[in-house]
Amino acid sequence: GAGVSQSPSNKVTEKGKDVELRCDPISGHTALYWYRQSLGQGLEFLIYFQGNSAPDKSGLPSDRFSAERTGGSVSTLTIQRTQQEDSAVYLCASTVDRTANYGYTFGSGTRLTVV
Amino acid sequence: KNQVEQSPQSLIILEGKNCTLQCNYTVSPFSNLRWYKQDTGRGPVSLTIMTFSENTKSNGRYTATLDADTKQSSLHITASQLSDSASYICVVSRIASGTYKYIFGTGTRLKVLA
Repeated sequence: GAGVSQSPSNKVTEKGKDVELRCDPISGHTALYWYRQSLGQGLEFLIYFQGNSAPDKSGLPSDRFSAERTGGSVSTLTIQRTQQEDSAVYLCASTVDRTANYGYTFGSGTRLTVV
Repeated sequence: KNQVEQSPQSLIILEGKNCTLQCNYTVSPFSNLRWYKQDTGRGPVSLTIMTFSENTKSNGRYTATLDADTKQSSLHITASQLSDSASYICVVSRIASGTYKYIFGTGTRLKVLA
């Protein structure tokens, strides 16, 4: 597609439930990132996928968080047993390659509210 | 420690006025620096990208400067418009173990008033 698409745009869930957030990157972009933006905070790196390489999971805050990228395209971020502190906007970004010479494109994010 | 600090945290200006946002970083080794604009409820959109050898880069009414010696960057907005109201985020990238890492500032929230 023309841009990075994320769904759902808003998600309200009860504490303890699992949620799945989806990211559809720009076609042909080999690198995909997940970030989290809490209210009043900067962007927090979560996980990075590059082609067929093993993902960089160094930013995942706990083992309740996981992500996968199937077929090198669509990615799903899963949060198990959600907690109230998981409430944030989850942003996905993709870029052409790993050289960082190109800007990367963000999706509009998924606003997650855990009640 | 690799950090990016932005100032001011928030800024209110009148339409038509100019303003300058600051970004100081302690990221090493430096790869490049980007300024993003993030409208409320939207993802960040790239304004400029600057490498080590570039001192200034313009994108319409936005002009970014980079001083790699002092590790400072600024984003100057000329003749502000109401649509400039947004958060402006400075992002510095570094190379670590062959992978690019991005360090984000917490942003400056700009409000332009009529």
